[in-house]
Amino acid sequence: DAGVTQSPTHLIKTRGQQVTLRCSPKSGHDTVSWYQQALGQGPQFIFQYYEEEERQRGNFPDRFSGHQFPNYSSELNVNALLLGDSALYLCASSLLDREGTEAFFGQGTRLTVV
Amino acid sequence: QKEVEQDPGPLSVPEGAIVSLNCTYSNSAFQYFMWYRQYSRKGPELLMYTYSSGNKEDGRFTAQVDKSSKYISLFIRDSQPSDSATYLCAMSEPGSSNTGKLIFGQGTTLQVKP
Repeated sequence: DAGVTQSPTHLIKTRGQQVTLRCSPKSGHDTVSWYQQALGQGPQFIFQYYEEEERQRGNFPDRFSGHQFPNYSSELNVNALLLGDSALYLCASSLLDREGTEAFFGQGTRLTVV
Repeated sequence: QKEVEQDPGPLSVPEGAIVSLNCTYSNSAFQYFMWYRQYSRKGPELLMYTYSSGNKEDGRFTAQVDKSSKYISLFIRDSQPSDSATYLCAMSEPGSSNTGKLIFGQGTTLQVKP
């Protein structure tokens, strides 16, 4: 079992550009959540996808959007990149609201906006 | 004021020491409490998960939740150099399970010196 895989591992973009990050969940999981982790900070929840629908959303602007595919994989899109979007973007997969289970995190994508 | 407060450290201890890590929170509705460990350049991994108040022990790790004081702790006994990492406390939003929207503390960086 490969666990949660994210791609790419590192990315450098220019301010104003758009970026797409990808996540493949752990085998058997149906829910994907995305988090942003700035340097020296804890992860902040961006949104969660289940059955190809955005189920919950954190306090992030509309520049952040996502998608979940029928195979449960997910993409995070960020438009009009700002310098402040530089962070580690983490994907977590889980079974929806299944008490006693856990969310597994990928290694993240390090995004640098210059 | 942040919903979850965690002393960022860094915390440096000698091998074999007992380590105490703590978080306070403001939302009395939190029900699920978790501790994650994050090694450098890796995603967080779940260490301990507690529902509501009480203690939970797993090997060298003990998690405590005091809902009356809105205070949670993680104790590491006989600390090892391999325990050197950032420790993140997390709580799930009221109405969510432990796999829903997680609210993280800032993380405490721990170094265990041989």
